[in-house]
Amino acid sequence: EAGVTQFPSHSVIEKGQTVTLRCDPISGHDNLYWYRRVMGKEIKFLLHFVKESKQDESGMPNNRFLAERTGGTYSTLKVQPAELEDSGVYFCASSSSGGLLTEAFFGQGTRLTVV
Amino acid sequence: QKEVEQNSGPLSVPEGAIASLNCTYSDRGSQSFFWYRQYSGKSPELIMFIYSNGDKEDGRFTAQLNKASQYVSLLIRDSQPSDSATYLCAASGTYKYIFGTGTRLKVLA
Repeated sequence: EAGVTQFPSHSVIEKGQTVTLRCDPISGHDNLYWYRRVMGKEIKFLLHFVKESKQDESGMPNNRFLAERTGGTYSTLKVQPAELEDSGVYFCASSSSGGLLTEAFFGQGTRLTVV
Repeated sequence: QKEVEQNSGPLSVPEGAIASLNCTYSDRGSQSFFWYRQYSGKSPELIMFIYSNGDKEDGRFTAQLNKASQYVSLLIRDSQPSDSATYLCAASGTYKYIFGTGTRLKVLA
């Protein structure tokens, strides 16, 4: 069974440019999450999809970030325009359900560097 | 955002010893706790979770939870060099995780 896959693994962009990160969850997982880790800090929740619907986007830092999950399969996270403080590792995770004891499976992350 | 605190380490232990990783949390509404292991450049992978007070054992790993003290720990028995990684503690009260910064463990051969 394929795990959670993220593309690209690394991205270096200039301030003001646009970047789109992609996440392919485990097949059949309705729940998809985006998290972010900035250098030296903990991994922080960004948002949660159930199928194609956003259930919780309370962690999204500002309106420069847009997440979509059309068709309830893969998801994209677009940053436009990128700022220096957006640098970090963006993790995607998926789970079969959203219960308290549900294991979330993580991707390897996309390391974003904004210069 | 509620906090989960971990000592960043590195925690160095000799091969064969017991490694003890600790985590405290501030939100009493947290109900389940997860330990993830992350090798450098790799995805975090779940080791085990716990939601009841007491101990939970799985092979060489034992998770301990004390809700009164808001304390979670992970013990690794017979530590191996392959256990060297960053260990992430996460608390959950709903569907999302609140992570600590992680503890870097080094097992010395």
